[in-house]
Amino acid sequence: DAGVTQSPTHLIKTRGQQVTLRCSPISGHKSVSWYQQVLGQGPQFIFQYYEKEERGRGNFPDRFSARQFPNYSSELNVNALLLGDSALYLCASSLPGQWEQYFGPGTRLTVT
Amino acid sequence: EDQVTQSPEALRLQEGESSSLNCSYTVSGLRGLFWYRQDPGKGPEFLFTLYSAGEEKEKERLKATLTKKESFLHITAPKPEDSATYLCAVGGGADGLTFGKGTHLIIQP
Repeated sequence: DAGVTQSPTHLIKTRGQQVTLRCSPISGHKSVSWYQQVLGQGPQFIFQYYEKEERGRGNFPDRFSARQFPNYSSELNVNALLLGDSALYLCASSLPGQWEQYFGPGTRLTVT
Repeated sequence: EDQVTQSPEALRLQEGESSSLNCSYTVSGLRGLFWYRQDPGKGPEFLFTLYSAGEEKEKERLKATLTKKESFLHITAPKPEDSATYLCAVGGGADGLTFGKGTHLIIQP
């Protein structure tokens, strides 16, 4: 089975711009979570979606938003980009009723 | 608020030299403790889930154990391909996972 897929792989944006990152979960997984990982740190939780509804939110500003589609894929949007938003953005999916999360390869975002 | 502290930050071993990585955690109620392996520039790869004190799980040269305050990842006779950053996390459910900063492990031939 295919794992979690994310697109694009790399992205370079300018301060103040907006970005959309995409994620497709493992087949059969209905929950998708987003994490931000800056260099030298562990991933930090941003959002969790289940059945198209937001189930949890981490400590991130309102510039960050997400949504989940009927096919369980998801998008993460970040508005008004700051230099500090430069990071590896990770998507993870999980099966209903299970807590193990399986991560995709990530999208490397660089803000200049 | 859940907290995870991993030690050491970095560890360099000779091939075949066994050692342990530590993960100390503080939670209001443990739902699960998770170990991941992360190679440079890639997403974390799931290794183990532990749910209760006394539980142990093994996979090849790795063995994870859990007490009420910490978890250990024991690596036996490591090989160079075991070099990676090992991440510990707690949580599960709608609040997501809380990760430590990881232990950067280097195995020298």
